Amino acid sequence: VQLVESGGGLVQPGKSLKLSCSASGFTFSSYGMHWIRQAPGKGLDWVAYISSSSGTVYADAVKGRFTISRDNAKNTLYLQLNSLKSEDTAIYYCARSSHYFDYWGQGVMVTVSS
Amino acid sequence: DVVLTQTPPTLSATIGQSVSISCRSSQSLLHSNGNTYLHWLLQRPGQSPQLLIYSVSRLESGVPNRFSGSGSGTDFTLKISGVEAEDLGVYYCVQGTHAPYTFGAGTKLELK
Repeated sequence: VQLVESGGGLVQPGKSLKLSCSASGFTFSSYGMHWIRQAPGKGLDWVAYISSSSGTVYADAVKGRFTISRDNAKNTLYLQLNSLKSEDTAIYYCARSSHYFDYWGQGVMVTVSS
Repeated sequence: DVVLTQTPPTLSATIGQSVSISCRSSQSLLHSNGNTYLHWLLQRPGQSPQLLIYSVSRLESGVPNRFSGSGSGTDFTLKISGVEAEDLGVYYCVQGTHAPYTFGAGTKLELK
């Protein structure tokens, strides 16, 4: 199992960014997937979940601004980040499995600053 | 939302010492399907979190058996029987029963 995030970077407040998580080593379409973030020096903060059938759930802090999606043909999970705020600065991890968080990617850094 | 309260926030241990970490939930983590989705993760410095214990007490493949988990309902415990140097890092409990899913604040295990 391998999960590789990409798409991070430095972005100004109010702008947008799209993260990707490329999955391999398992049947991607059969698993729910999460995005979790970690602000510098802080703990883990759950962001969003998408089921194998593409049902979604969001944390209140990102609801209406972030969108999780998946492309099973490309074995890729996405997170569209809109209306970014400084408090969204964090390492963003993707993780596998609806209930279990059993495999994690290496994370991608998103910095929101002017 | 479910709040997971982890204690202690910091733990100082010597090599070989046994230690325990508590995770208390604001509501029962027993899912309607009969499973309890309370897990323990370890994040070593500079690394991604890794799953150690899932569903309260089940050891993830490849994890040493000095790690054990116990509990039910709202009270859960992770025990390390004989700390080794590679165990240092931050331990998190996480619940996958009730959306939105939540993490404990973490327990940092340090060498005394």
